[in-house]
Amino acid sequence: SVLTQPPSASGTPGQRVSISCSGSGSNIGSNTVTWYQQLPGTAPNLLIYSNNQRPSGVPDRFSGSKSGTSASLAISGLQSEDEADYYCAAWDDSLNGVVFGGGTELTVL
Amino acid sequence: QITLKESGPTLVKPTQTLTLTCTFSGFSLSSNGVGVGWIRQPPGKALEWLGVIYWNDDKRFSPSLKSRLTITKDTSKNQVVLTMTNMDPVDTATYYCAHSHLWEPVDYWGQGALVTVSS
Repeated sequence: SVLTQPPSASGTPGQRVSISCSGSGSNIGSNTVTWYQQLPGTAPNLLIYSNNQRPSGVPDRFSGSKSGTSASLAISGLQSEDEADYYCAAWDDSLNGVVFGGGTELTVL
Repeated sequence: QITLKESGPTLVKPTQTLTLTCTFSGFSLSSNGVGVGWIRQPPGKALEWLGVIYWNDDKRFSPSLKSRLTITKDTSKNQVVLTMTNMDPVDTATYYCAHSHLWEPVDYWGQGALVTVSS
Protein backbone atom coordinates (compact mmCIF):
# COMPACT_ATOMS: atom_id res chain seq x y z
CA SER A 1 0.00 0.00 0.00
CA VAL A 2 1.11 3.54 -0.73
CA LEU A 3 0.17 4.70 2.78
CA THR A 4 1.78 2.81 5.64
CA GLN A 5 -0.16 1.74 8.72
CA PRO A 6 0.78 -0.66 11.50
CA PRO A 7 -0.98 -3.98 10.84
CA SER A 8 -2.29 -4.21 14.38
CA ALA A 9 -2.99 -2.21 17.52
CA SER A 10 -4.55 -3.05 20.84
CA GLY A 11 -5.75 -1.55 24.08
CA THR A 12 -7.88 -2.22 27.10
CA PRO A 13 -11.31 -0.68 27.70
CA GLY A 14 -11.06 2.96 28.68
CA GLN A 15 -7.55 3.32 27.30
CA ARG A 16 -6.43 5.70 24.56
CA VAL A 17 -4.93 4.21 21.40
CA SER A 18 -3.39 5.85 18.39
CA ILE A 19 -3.00 4.54 14.82
CA SER A 20 -0.47 6.12 12.49
CA CYS A 21 -0.58 6.59 8.73
CA SER A 22 2.57 7.54 6.87
CA GLY A 23 2.69 8.83 3.32
CA SER A 24 4.62 11.21 1.12
CA GLY A 25 4.54 14.72 -0.26
CA SER A 26 2.27 13.76 -3.16
CA ASN A 27 -0.50 12.40 -0.94
CA ILE A 28 -0.69 13.26 2.77
CA GLY A 29 1.77 16.12 2.35
CA SER A 30 -0.46 17.81 -0.23
CA ASN A 31 -3.99 16.67 0.53
CA THR A 32 -6.34 15.91 3.38
CA VAL A 33 -6.58 12.55 5.11
CA THR A 34 -9.69 10.44 5.55
CA TRP A 35 -10.18 7.60 8.04
CA TYR A 36 -12.61 4.70 7.82
CA GLN A 37 -13.79 2.10 10.32
CA GLN A 38 -14.69 -1.33 9.00
CA LEU A 39 -16.53 -3.60 11.40
CA PRO A 40 -16.32 -7.33 10.66
CA GLY A 41 -18.38 -8.33 7.64
CA THR A 42 -19.52 -4.80 6.82
CA ALA A 43 -18.63 -2.01 4.42
CA PRO A 44 -16.20 0.69 5.54
CA ASN A 45 -17.76 3.65 7.32
CA LEU A 46 -16.50 7.24 7.22
CA LEU A 47 -14.90 8.13 10.55
CA ILE A 48 -12.80 11.25 9.93
CA TYR A 49 -12.54 13.54 6.88
CA SER A 50 -10.45 16.59 6.09
CA ASN A 51 -7.79 15.41 8.58
CA ASN A 52 -9.79 16.05 11.73
CA GLN A 53 -13.50 16.48 10.97
CA ARG A 54 -16.06 14.04 12.31
CA PRO A 55 -19.28 13.33 10.40
CA SER A 56 -22.43 13.64 12.45
CA GLY A 57 -22.99 10.52 14.50
CA VAL A 58 -19.31 9.74 15.06
CA PRO A 59 -18.47 9.98 18.77
CA ASP A 60 -15.98 12.63 19.83
CA ARG A 61 -13.84 9.81 21.24
CA PHE A 62 -12.47 9.60 17.71
CA SER A 63 -10.08 12.32 16.58
CA GLY A 64 -7.70 12.82 13.69
CA SER A 65 -4.60 14.88 13.15
CA LYS A 66 -2.03 15.49 10.43
CA SER A 67 1.52 16.75 10.43
CA GLY A 68 3.65 16.91 7.31
CA THR A 69 3.42 13.58 5.52
CA SER A 70 1.93 11.65 8.42
CA ALA A 71 -1.48 11.42 10.02
CA SER A 72 -2.86 9.82 13.13
CA LEU A 73 -6.18 8.53 14.39
CA ALA A 74 -6.74 8.56 18.14
CA ILE A 75 -9.44 6.72 20.00
CA SER A 76 -9.97 7.65 23.62
CA GLY A 77 -12.10 5.80 26.15
CA LEU A 78 -11.70 2.60 24.16
CA GLN A 79 -14.80 0.40 24.00
CA SER A 80 -15.31 -3.19 22.92
CA GLU A 81 -17.39 -2.05 19.95
CA ASP A 82 -14.35 -0.18 18.61
CA GLU A 83 -12.81 -3.52 17.66
CA ALA A 84 -12.53 -3.20 13.88
CA ASP A 85 -10.18 -2.54 10.99
CA TYR A 86 -9.18 1.09 10.42
CA TYR A 87 -7.99 2.51 7.10
CA CYS A 88 -6.51 5.86 6.13
CA ALA A 89 -6.81 7.33 2.63
CA ALA A 90 -5.78 10.41 0.69
CA TRP A 91 -5.72 11.74 -2.84
CA ASP A 92 -2.34 11.30 -4.50
CA ASP A 93 -1.33 14.02 -6.96
CA SER A 94 1.30 11.87 -8.67
CA LEU A 95 -0.89 8.80 -9.15
CA ASN A 96 -3.92 10.99 -9.87
CA GLY A 97 -6.12 8.88 -7.67
CA VAL A 98 -6.96 7.79 -4.13
CA VAL A 99 -4.44 5.77 -2.12
CA PHE A 100 -5.26 3.67 0.93
CA GLY A 101 -3.27 2.41 3.85
CA GLY A 102 -2.96 -1.32 4.40
CA GLY A 103 -5.34 -1.18 7.36
CA THR A 104 -4.87 -1.61 11.10
CA GLU A 105 -6.71 -4.31 13.01
CA LEU A 106 -7.66 -2.94 16.43
CA THR A 107 -8.17 -5.43 19.24
CA VAL A 108 -9.81 -4.46 22.51
CA LEU A 109 -8.30 -6.73 25.13
CA GLN B 1 -29.88 10.55 2.79
CA ILE B 2 -27.19 9.22 0.45
CA THR B 3 -27.39 5.54 -0.40
CA LEU B 4 -25.61 3.40 -2.98
CA LYS B 5 -26.02 -0.22 -3.97
CA GLU B 6 -23.93 -2.44 -6.21
CA SER B 7 -25.46 -5.10 -8.43
CA GLY B 8 -24.09 -7.64 -10.86
CA PRO B 9 -22.90 -11.22 -11.15
CA THR B 10 -21.57 -13.07 -8.14
CA LEU B 11 -19.55 -15.51 -10.25
CA VAL B 12 -17.43 -14.73 -13.29
CA LYS B 13 -15.23 -17.10 -15.31
CA PRO B 14 -11.56 -16.31 -15.97
CA THR B 15 -11.01 -14.12 -19.05
CA GLN B 16 -14.62 -12.88 -18.94
CA THR B 17 -15.63 -9.25 -18.52
CA LEU B 18 -17.21 -8.10 -15.25
CA THR B 19 -19.96 -5.50 -15.36
CA LEU B 20 -21.18 -3.98 -12.11
CA THR B 21 -23.88 -1.35 -11.71
CA CYS B 22 -24.04 1.17 -8.89
CA THR B 23 -27.50 2.59 -8.28
CA PHE B 24 -27.59 5.57 -5.98
CA SER B 25 -29.97 8.05 -4.40
CA GLY B 26 -29.75 11.16 -2.26
CA PHE B 27 -27.47 13.07 -4.62
CA SER B 28 -27.14 13.99 -8.27
CA LEU B 29 -24.18 13.10 -10.45
CA SER B 30 -24.83 16.26 -12.42
CA SER B 31 -23.99 18.44 -9.41
CA ASN B 32 -20.70 20.30 -9.53
CA GLY B 33 -17.86 18.45 -7.82
CA VAL B 34 -19.71 15.19 -7.24
CA GLY B 35 -18.27 11.81 -8.17
CA VAL B 36 -18.81 8.07 -7.76
CA GLY B 37 -15.81 5.92 -7.05
CA TRP B 38 -15.14 2.19 -7.09
CA ILE B 39 -13.07 0.32 -4.51
CA ARG B 40 -12.47 -3.39 -4.06
CA GLN B 41 -11.34 -5.60 -1.19
CA PRO B 42 -10.09 -9.16 -1.68
CA PRO B 43 -11.11 -11.51 1.15
CA GLY B 44 -9.06 -10.73 4.24
CA LYS B 45 -7.06 -8.02 2.49
CA ALA B 46 -6.90 -4.25 2.29
CA LEU B 47 -8.98 -1.78 0.32
CA GLU B 48 -7.86 -0.98 -3.22
CA TRP B 49 -9.08 2.08 -5.13
CA LEU B 50 -10.10 1.34 -8.72
CA GLY B 51 -11.32 4.60 -10.18
CA VAL B 52 -13.81 7.46 -10.13
CA ILE B 53 -16.14 9.28 -12.50
CA TYR B 54 -17.13 12.90 -11.89
CA TRP B 55 -20.16 15.02 -12.72
CA ASN B 56 -18.39 16.45 -15.79
CA ASP B 57 -17.51 12.93 -17.08
CA ASP B 58 -13.89 13.33 -16.03
CA LYS B 59 -12.46 9.96 -14.99
CA ARG B 60 -9.43 8.77 -13.06
CA PHE B 61 -8.22 5.19 -12.78
CA SER B 62 -5.75 3.17 -10.77
CA PRO B 63 -2.58 3.09 -12.91
CA SER B 64 -2.18 -0.66 -12.39
CA LEU B 65 -5.69 -1.44 -13.65
CA LYS B 66 -6.31 1.40 -16.08
CA SER B 67 -6.06 -0.75 -19.20
CA ARG B 68 -8.82 -3.08 -17.96
CA LEU B 69 -11.31 -0.57 -16.54
CA THR B 70 -14.16 1.46 -17.95
CA ILE B 71 -16.52 3.63 -15.90
CA THR B 72 -19.64 5.23 -17.36
CA LYS B 73 -22.60 7.11 -15.91
CA ASP B 74 -26.27 7.47 -16.66
CA THR B 75 -27.31 10.58 -14.81
CA SER B 76 -30.99 10.17 -15.65
CA LYS B 77 -31.05 6.72 -14.06
CA ASN B 78 -28.75 7.61 -11.14
CA GLN B 79 -26.43 4.79 -12.14
CA VAL B 80 -22.73 4.27 -12.66
CA VAL B 81 -21.35 1.20 -14.42
CA LEU B 82 -17.92 -0.37 -13.86
CA THR B 83 -16.51 -2.71 -16.48
CA MET B 84 -13.38 -4.78 -15.87
CA THR B 85 -12.03 -6.96 -18.66
CA ASN B 86 -10.02 -10.18 -18.62
CA MET B 87 -11.01 -11.23 -15.11
CA ASP B 88 -8.64 -13.49 -13.17
CA PRO B 89 -9.05 -15.40 -9.88
CA VAL B 90 -6.92 -12.72 -8.17
CA ASP B 91 -9.72 -10.26 -8.97
CA THR B 92 -12.00 -12.12 -6.53
CA ALA B 93 -13.12 -9.42 -4.12
CA THR B 94 -15.95 -7.42 -2.68
CA TYR B 95 -16.52 -4.46 -4.99
CA TYR B 96 -17.83 -1.23 -3.50
CA CYS B 97 -19.13 1.94 -5.09
CA ALA B 98 -19.08 5.15 -3.08
CA HIS B 99 -19.92 8.84 -3.26
CA SER B 100 -17.04 11.28 -3.47
CA HIS B 101 -16.11 14.90 -4.00
CA LEU B 102 -13.60 16.20 -6.50
CA TRP B 103 -10.06 15.07 -5.70
CA GLU B 104 -11.11 13.61 -2.35
CA PRO B 105 -11.41 10.08 -0.98
CA VAL B 106 -14.91 8.65 -0.88
CA ASP B 107 -17.34 9.23 1.95
CA TYR B 108 -20.61 7.29 1.67
CA TRP B 109 -20.22 3.60 0.71
CA GLY B 110 -22.48 0.99 -0.80
CA GLN B 111 -22.92 -2.35 0.93
CA GLY B 112 -20.56 -4.08 -1.47
CA ALA B 113 -20.92 -6.97 -3.92
CA LEU B 114 -18.80 -10.10 -3.65
CA VAL B 115 -17.53 -11.26 -7.03
CA THR B 116 -15.81 -14.62 -7.33
CA VAL B 117 -13.69 -15.44 -10.35
CA SER B 118 -13.58 -19.17 -10.94
CA SER B 119 -14.05 -21.65 -13.72
